[in-house]
Amino acid sequence: AQSVSQHNHHVILSEAASLELGCNYSYGGTVNLFWYVQYPGQHLQLLLKYFSGDPLVKGIKGFEAEFIKSKFSFNLRKPSVQWSDTAEYFCAVTSVTGKLIFGQGTTLQVKP
Amino acid sequence: KAGVTQTPRYLIKTRGQQVTLSCSPISGHRSVSWYQQTPGQGLQFLFEYFSETQRNKGNFPGRFSGRQFSNSRSEMNVSTLELGDSALYLCASSLDPPGQDNSPLHFGNGTRLTVT
Repeated sequence: AQSVSQHNHHVILSEAASLELGCNYSYGGTVNLFWYVQYPGQHLQLLLKYFSGDPLVKGIKGFEAEFIKSKFSFNLRKPSVQWSDTAEYFCAVTSVTGKLIFGQGTTLQVKP
Repeated sequence: KAGVTQTPRYLIKTRGQQVTLSCSPISGHRSVSWYQQTPGQGLQFLFEYFSETQRNKGNFPGRFSGRQFSNSRSEMNVSTLELGDSALYLCASSLDPPGQDNSPLHFGNGTRLTVT
């Protein structure tokens, strides 16, 4: 069965620090990969997605993620975080079945 | 365009009761997915409907059920409520089934269910 694992449950950074959130999935076939973000008091929204092509994908607000097939990973990165990046981040995977499975989420707290 | 609308926003029920939650997708969207969100568990997939058919189902007991109507609106029902059912229930809609390119999920604000 598909599963998604996010290793960091709670991350605290100072502004301008670099960010990397880990995401690993288990599924042997073709997958589509997503990162969603939930800002305080707001609904979940799509940050970026990977379907095919260049494994380095860029999303909104300066975020990017790299798909490494051999490691079953899709880590999220940002070179310099801002206070406004404080949010909960969810990695998600879908296979040909179309079932979108989310990880447990990582809470990011950015200190001004 | 109006977003995904979930009603009610908040609900308090007692153990043993049943509850029905409603979701109106974005106009034109034919796929609706339901998730249970709890602290530490993230989003647990409940089920997904497309054109009135349940395409996928998560690992929840039979007390959890759902349906989709011809206008794509969806309802989920939980019978014989337990304390552990307290959670935020999220509905998301997409043009086509999730996982297809150009068909990202759009989430509603959720229904906060508290079981006492």
